[in-house]
Amino acid sequence: DTGVSQNPRHKITKRGQNVTFRCDPISEHNRLYWYRQTLGQGPEFLTYFQNEAQLEKSRLLSDRFSAERPKGSFSTLEIQRTEQGDSAMYLCASSLSGQGRSETQYFGPGTRLLVL
Amino acid sequence: GDSVTQMEGPVTLSEEAFLTINCTYTATGYPSLFWYVQYPGEGLQLLLKATKADDKGSNKGFEATYRKETTSFHLEKGSVQVSDSAVYFCALRDAAGNKLTFGGGTRVLVKP
Repeated sequence: DTGVSQNPRHKITKRGQNVTFRCDPISEHNRLYWYRQTLGQGPEFLTYFQNEAQLEKSRLLSDRFSAERPKGSFSTLEIQRTEQGDSAMYLCASSLSGQGRSETQYFGPGTRLLVL
Repeated sequence: GDSVTQMEGPVTLSEEAFLTINCTYTATGYPSLFWYVQYPGEGLQLLLKATKADDKGSNKGFEATYRKETTSFHLEKGSVQVSDSAVYFCALRDAAGNKLTFGGGTRVLVKP
């Protein structure tokens, strides 16, 4: 068990560019979550998947954001036409959901995005 | 909607001092409660949790008790070490068992 991994760890981009982040959950975890954390704040929920189905999206997730989990394993989060306000740490978490499961969410190290 | 409020930091302590970080919540139903810790340069790690009223979570000398009557989940440690310096986040998971709602975090600095 290698834990949740995220790539890249850091991304610097210019305003208006598109960026894509990847998250690899703990193997066999059926749920995958995306959160955003700005400096000095707690993480805020963006969206989550159960297997390949995206079950909930926060109102924070504007039309410029899209997330996928095509085969129910890794997930990608894409931000189109980035804005300076998108600068944040993007966190991924995974959990094992189901009867009798603890459903504890385990977090990856995050991808820090800076939009210039 | 659900919300979590925790005391603002930074909290500065001397080694072996007693630590308390207050956390209160607002939620419908019966949420599960968590404390996560973020050490410098590292990701969020689960510290402890409690899933029902009066449960006590404990780990690494830290404790927190789920108090439904006061909607609180205060974190305590009797004798802190320099290695406990970190940012601590209180969080709840809604009754449906889905997303986490976090407080704003409390930075703790323990000096030798």
